[in-house]
Amino acid sequence: GENVEQHPSTLSVQEGDSAVIKCTYSDSASNYFPWYKQELGKRPQLIIDIRSNVGEKKDQRIAVTLNKTAKHFSLHITETQPEDSAVYFCAAKPGNTPLVFGKGTRLSVIA
Amino acid sequence: KAGVTQTPRYLIKTRGQQVTLSCSPISGHRSVSWYQQTPGQGLQFLFEYFSETQRNKGNFPGRFSGRQFSNSRSEMNVSTLELGDSALYLCASSPDRGRNEKLFFGSGTQLSVL
Repeated sequence: GENVEQHPSTLSVQEGDSAVIKCTYSDSASNYFPWYKQELGKRPQLIIDIRSNVGEKKDQRIAVTLNKTAKHFSLHITETQPEDSAVYFCAAKPGNTPLVFGKGTRLSVIA
Repeated sequence: KAGVTQTPRYLIKTRGQQVTLSCSPISGHRSVSWYQQTPGQGLQFLFEYFSETQRNKGNFPGRFSGRQFSNSRSEMNVSTLELGDSALYLCASSPDRGRNEKLFFGSGTQLSVL
């Protein structure tokens, strides 16, 4: 089955800097790659997603890139703010099987 | 629209007991998924339902079971609780007619097994 590895597990950045979180997946049949943000004590929320026929997608300060050949995708957050501090989860979905999540990255933005 | 509602919010049980968790999806969503979240392990898939049919089941022992009702509400049951079952159990609903891609999560039920 699908296996998703996520790195780093923790990340600290200064406010205003960029943050990058990387994920690799194993199943070449995966065609949908969402990212979820979970603030402390709250529910995970979808922040951006990308499909396998697209290489990059942007939404204001966040962007996701996908390299199908290398089977990896990344989340980029620019101009980080304290409210970006949270745990971020990547996921991959091979066809009709359920989403498989990475183990998460705890991002701390230091003011 | 109201979000995904999970009850109860917190639950404390002892080993050997059983527990039932409830999930009400967003109105109009017919897909419901359950995930177990533990520190450092991310979200582990438990079940996935669409229109009362279990479409997928994760790699959990048979003590974990679930069902979905005709109004799309879902329940999961854990029998003979073990200490390792302590976790946050998240339910999510999806609007995309069974593809279960965009998940809308509830706040979860925090289960503590003593």
